[in-house]
Amino acid sequence: DVQLVQSGAEVKKPGESLRISCMGSGYSFSSYWIAWVRQMPGKGLEWMGIIYPGDPDPRYSPSFQDQVTISVDKSISTAYLQWSSLKASDTAMYYCARPHGVDPFDIWGQGTMVTVSS
Amino acid sequence: EVVLTQSPATLSLSPGERAILSCRASQSVSSFLAWYQQKPGQAPRLLIYDVSKRAADIPARFSGSGSGTDFSLTISGLEPDDFAVYYCQQHSNWPEFTFGPGTRVEIK
Repeated sequence: DVQLVQSGAEVKKPGESLRISCMGSGYSFSSYWIAWVRQMPGKGLEWMGIIYPGDPDPRYSPSFQDQVTISVDKSISTAYLQWSSLKASDTAMYYCARPHGVDPFDIWGQGTMVTVSS
Repeated sequence: EVVLTQSPATLSLSPGERAILSCRASQSVSSFLAWYQQKPGQAPRLLIYDVSKRAADIPARFSGSGSGTDFSLTISGLEPDDFAVYYCQQHSNWPEFTFGPGTRVEIK
């Protein structure tokens, strides 16, 4: 089965750093982009950015540029979303998702809940 | 940056009725428009891509239409499982994406 498996829920304090992961399996990981999507509690979906494993130069939504870092390690079929200094407003569910070729996201991870609270 | 607006914010209907959801783009997105369904506690699921193509295993009661800046998702004959939030998404400037704010379809 083609799937994206994300790392588990995190509880952090403001100012702490964090990296969450998304591992692909069942397909050629290096051949597909991986995107990250934020969903704040009770709110809608927000596209954060995207990366191609074969060309690790991510594209970011203007809203998330300089706020997060997206990276990938194709040797272990894993994409990452990273914060250097978390804020309470980063509390959200984060999904990774895979576009199918140049089509939209047909495969989604199960989501990683990040809670930032003092 | 393309901005998507969806209307209505909430649609209250009974099972068996037809739902028509609207998505409008701030500029033309050609045919690069998709729809997703999200139920509570679940990841979104792709329903429609390229305006009108159904994704794998999506029932025929879901259909999409439109062009340029105005699009719609029609659910003909709502089933209990269809009550959820629906998002449109565009990718006219690949690989950049934008989501609309969503329409909640609730049981009347």
